[in-house]
Amino acid sequence: QVHLVQSGPELKKPGASVKVSCKTSGYTFTSFYLHWVRQAPGQDLEWLGWINPNNGGTKFAQNFQGRVTMTRDTSLTTAYMEVHRLTADDTAVYYCSRELPGYHTAWDFWGQGTQITVSS
Amino acid sequence: QSVLTQTPSASGTPGQRVSISCSGNSSSFRNLYIYWYAQVPGSAPKLLIYRNNLRPSGVPDRFSASKSATSASLAISGLRPEDESRYFCATWDDSVDGPLFGSGTKLT
Repeated sequence: QVHLVQSGPELKKPGASVKVSCKTSGYTFTSFYLHWVRQAPGQDLEWLGWINPNNGGTKFAQNFQGRVTMTRDTSLTTAYMEVHRLTADDTAVYYCSRELPGYHTAWDFWGQGTQITVSS
Repeated sequence: QSVLTQTPSASGTPGQRVSISCSGNSSSFRNLYIYWYAQVPGSAPKLLIYRNNLRPSGVPDRFSASKSATSASLAISGLRPEDESRYFCATWDDSVDGPLFGSGTKLT
């Protein structure tokens, strides 16, 4: 069965970077886009972007261009998302999710979420 | 700026049928695909409906959805206590080339 397992919680200082991993299993890694979204406490989802595991192609939300990088390691069937120049506003739960092919807003499997806390 | 509007809350009793609506302010709403999710606090969202009215594998047929030119709705029949959740609609917004989320409806 399909599983997406994310790395553990992180506490970071303002200005630092954080890298979250998303280990996938149970399906062909290169056949499904992976998206990253985050959710601050009491807030709606906020989309960060997606990565095409087949070729490493990426697309980012306008608000995160230049501050977020997404990579993948096909041998480990793992995707990574890194946020740079963190501020307190980046405190949120970060999720990776798998896209139903062809439907950029249909995310059928999700990681368990990674709590990122930014505090001095 | 496109917006998806949902009523903040809805309620029902076990066995009942409830509907949750999602309306759009864009003239292109008729051409959009609407997606529905459920989210319990502290957990990841769960996809219930994609492409307006299709259910992913594993989603029971108690969940159904429809869409018109100006609004979309999610219906839950045979309501169960475990259906208590926040439900939100979503779509892809070409103007920002990213997803757009409704504000959600808390079903009690």
